[in-house]
Amino acid sequence: GAVVSQHPSRVICKSGTSVKIECRSLDFQATTMFWYRQFPKQSLMLMATSNEGSKATYEQGVEKDKFLINHASLTLSTLTVTSAHPEDSSFYICSARVVGGPQHFGDGTRLSIL
Amino acid sequence: AQKITQTQPGMFVQEKEAVTLDCTYDTSDPSYGLFWYKQPSSGEMIFLIYQGSYDQQNATEGRYSLNFQKARKSANLVISASQLGDSAMYFCAMRGRLKAAGNKLTFGGGTRVLVKP
Repeated sequence: GAVVSQHPSRVICKSGTSVKIECRSLDFQATTMFWYRQFPKQSLMLMATSNEGSKATYEQGVEKDKFLINHASLTLSTLTVTSAHPEDSSFYICSARVVGGPQHFGDGTRLSIL
Repeated sequence: AQKITQTQPGMFVQEKEAVTLDCTYDTSDPSYGLFWYKQPSSGEMIFLIYQGSYDQQNATEGRYSLNFQKARKSANLVISASQLGDSAMYFCAMRGRLKAAGNKLTFGGGTRVLVKP
C-alpha cells in the first residue's frame, strides 16, 4: 500500500530555532501533499496544501512566513517552522493522496519548543 | 463549506462486542467522499474505510463497516467484534469532489474508544 514517511518523529529545540520537517511518499508520486497541525485531544487542522512545483496554498489564519512549505519534487514536501516559539509546540502531520484514493498520512512529528 | 460532526467525545466498549461511532456531515457539494481514520496513542493516522456519495452499497472492510444514510447525512462507523487494539481516537472526514474543494479533507472532532477486556 501507499506509504508516507515523515521525519523527524520528535524534535525538542530552543526558542528561536528553525525546524524542518520532511514528508516523503515512498512508493508513489504525489503532486499534492497536505500539512496538518493537531493540538492535544483535538482534531486535525489543515494548515496548507503543498503543490509540487508551485506555491503552497495556506488556510486562513496560517502565517506563510512562519510555516514555510517547499514541494520541490513529486515525492518530497518540507515544512519549516521558522523562529519557533513555545506556542508553536504541537503535533504536525503530513499526508499525500494517491490519485483516485484516500489520503495516506505520515507518522507525525511532535515538536516541543523550550 | 463542509462540516463534520462527531457527537460522541468518548465511549467504552466491551471486548468482542460491536460499537457504532456517529458521524454527521453537511456539504453543498453534489459529490463527495467520506472517510474514517484511526489514530492510536502513537499518533499515526490509519485509513480504515471510504464511502463515495454515489456508491449504492455501504462500504465494508473486514471488521469495519460504514452505515451510510445519505438523506440523513450520516456516515456511522461500525466496528464488529472489538479488540483491545481498537482502543484509539477515530476521526470521520469528508472530501469534496469539486475543484474548489482542492481535495482537502475536513475532519470531525473525533471519538475516543476504549475497549475493556
